[in-house]
Amino acid sequence: DQQVKQNSPSLSVQEGRISILNCDYTNSMFDYFLWYKKYPAEGPTFLISISSIKDKNEDGRFTVFLNKSAKHLSLHIVPSQPGDSAVYFCAASESSGDKLTFGTGTRLAVRP
Amino acid sequence: KAGVTQTPRYLIKTRGQQVTLSCSPISGHRSVSWYQQTPGQGLQFLFEYFSETQRNKGNFPGRFSGRQFSNSRSEMNVSTLELGDSALYLCASSPGTAFYGYTFGSGTRLTVV
Repeated sequence: DQQVKQNSPSLSVQEGRISILNCDYTNSMFDYFLWYKKYPAEGPTFLISISSIKDKNEDGRFTVFLNKSAKHLSLHIVPSQPGDSAVYFCAASESSGDKLTFGTGTRLAVRP
Repeated sequence: KAGVTQTPRYLIKTRGQQVTLSCSPISGHRSVSWYQQTPGQGLQFLFEYFSETQRNKGNFPGRFSGRQFSNSRSEMNVSTLELGDSALYLCASSPGTAFYGYTFGSGTRLTVV
């Protein structure tokens, strides 16, 4: 039972344009959400997070949007750069915070 | 500040053998979590240790076990290896809970032949 879903396994975007990565969840107990980026042969690195009391969080080129009623979050990268090419995982946690539940990842390719 | 260190980086084992993976968390971090990454499955939670106690466990068979030492270093053991255990095993540390976000190690790539 996949509680966090990333339905697009891959995404290709032109350099300078916006990248939008989507994530859906089913567990209404989730109240903290994170995005991680992973390069080959490396562990995932933390990118940005959002708690359920907010609907938007921004950090430089990265913005995460949360729609609790739709159980949907998205990561916007603008402008996209070739160095952003990686696999992006969304993750969610309940308030106990004992573990993260990850999606299956979306591979982003930014074309020069 | 040293990151999360996992050893070994690569491992090849035969079906039926057992394997032990090691993880040294960031200094001061007391929580260590283990994840299995396979193609198409994303990161699947194995277990989490905090102050030498297993605090949470995922849906993996009993062949997968772990422990944490007083210095917060953690080991994961898989007994009676199966071909399907081939995966990247990731360790993550955090100061207390997942709310702080994890810092991941580079992982141990296990291949079972």
